[in-house]
Amino acid sequence: GQQVMQIPQYQHVQEGEDFTTYCNSSTTLSNIQWYKQRPGGHPVFLIQLVKSGEVKKQKRLTFQFGEAKKNSSLHITATQTTDVGTYFCAGHWAKMRFGAGTRLTVKP
Amino acid sequence: DAGITQSPRYKITETGRQVTLMCHQTWSHSYMFWYRQDLGHGLRLIYYSAAADITDKGEVPDGYVVSRSKTENFPLTLESATRSQTSVYFCASRTDGGTEAFFGQGTRLTVV
Repeated sequence: GQQVMQIPQYQHVQEGEDFTTYCNSSTTLSNIQWYKQRPGGHPVFLIQLVKSGEVKKQKRLTFQFGEAKKNSSLHITATQTTDVGTYFCAGHWAKMRFGAGTRLTVKP
Repeated sequence: DAGITQSPRYKITETGRQVTLMCHQTWSHSYMFWYRQDLGHGLRLIYYSAAADITDKGEVPDGYVVSRSKTENFPLTLESATRSQTSVYFCASRTDGGTEAFFGQGTRLTVV
């Protein structure tokens, strides 16, 4: 079946350190989306990647879509305490399937 | 109010009871989804709907029933609640173009 796997499950960093989460799909994706969920909140859309090899940036966040459209990554440069939360990737087929998420904690 | 709203926000029910979680969106989005969120499992899809009167199973549909008689509403019913259905439930909606999904605030359900 269509599955999305995400690693690591948890990541604890010192403020200012970089952070990366990886997402892998069992099948080729039409697109991939990334969401952020703050503690106690609901998932909020960050970005969508559609093209093979696509790279998009949002300030300190860099999103990549693999050449084969089966993997993706989110990299945060110089983390801040406001980056705390769980980051999810979602593979888009008709059913939107989420990875298990990476929970990021940041020590000031 | 505009947006997507879930009710109730919190619910405690007893094992064996039927309970319905409500989801309402004001955007006329075609697609609506129900997810449950449990520690270590992320967001697991229960059911989704591509349009009114069209629903389909997700990853974990057993024990749940959905209906969608109107575009704006997508209720989720637990026919006979079990403790394993204790979870946070999120409803989401999006347009028919594979664009971003908008999530409700979630319903925290506890089955005792």
